[in-house]
Amino acid sequence: SSELTQDPAVSVALGQTVRITCQGDSLRSYYASWYQQKPGQAPVLVIYGKNNRPSGIPDRFSGSSSGNTASLTITGAQAEDEADYYCNSRDSSGNHQVVFGGGTKLTVL
Amino acid sequence: EVQLVESGGGLVQPGRSLRLSCAASGFTFDDYAMHWVRQAPGKGLEWVSGISWNSGSIGYADSVKGRFTISRDNAKNSLYLQMNSLRAEDTALYYCAKDITPAARQWGSFDYWGQGTLVTVSS
Repeated sequence: SSELTQDPAVSVALGQTVRITCQGDSLRSYYASWYQQKPGQAPVLVIYGKNNRPSGIPDRFSGSSSGNTASLTITGAQAEDEADYYCNSRDSSGNHQVVFGGGTKLTVL
Repeated sequence: EVQLVESGGGLVQPGRSLRLSCAASGFTFDDYAMHWVRQAPGKGLEWVSGISWNSGSIGYADSVKGRFTISRDNAKNSLYLQMNSLRAEDTALYYCAKDITPAARQWGSFDYWGQGTLVTVSS
């Protein structure tokens, strides 16, 4: 199965823009989904498909993709955005597998 | 309101078995693929297994293939995970998650998650 690589930690100043990236061969064939997880809580889907936000997700969250890299951008980061962010996608190995990135800890300064 | 409620976790000795269940409500269960995702203490998310709406497509992570079996009962709106030959490294919080699509072809986006059931494998 393939892998997805994320930076372990990223920080952003309050109100500024931050991009969290995810790299992997599967992203050449499938879109990434992005999840936000706060301590002690289940993950929440924030972006899926080309750039789709589930109901209730603020429009400061957006997604993009190029080649083998997917990105989650938070425009005007808020204190409540401090969390772990995970990407995932369908694996391109043909075995109906799904793969997650290792996660990025976002700190809002 | 969509609800996913996992059960069946607990403390189990290495080599033993455990069966997890996930009771779903608030949506048409047999319209969607379902998955199990786990998270070891202090670690990241790991996809474990997925099953399409009609059980026609099933996938497993390499780490559990041959030991775990996923199944679903659409009449009971329930998802299951039979875990055999458990190892210490299977210790984790196990989440049940709903996919946005019914089939395996484009699956992998999980729009609803349960709160998880904790599995601890230790002697």
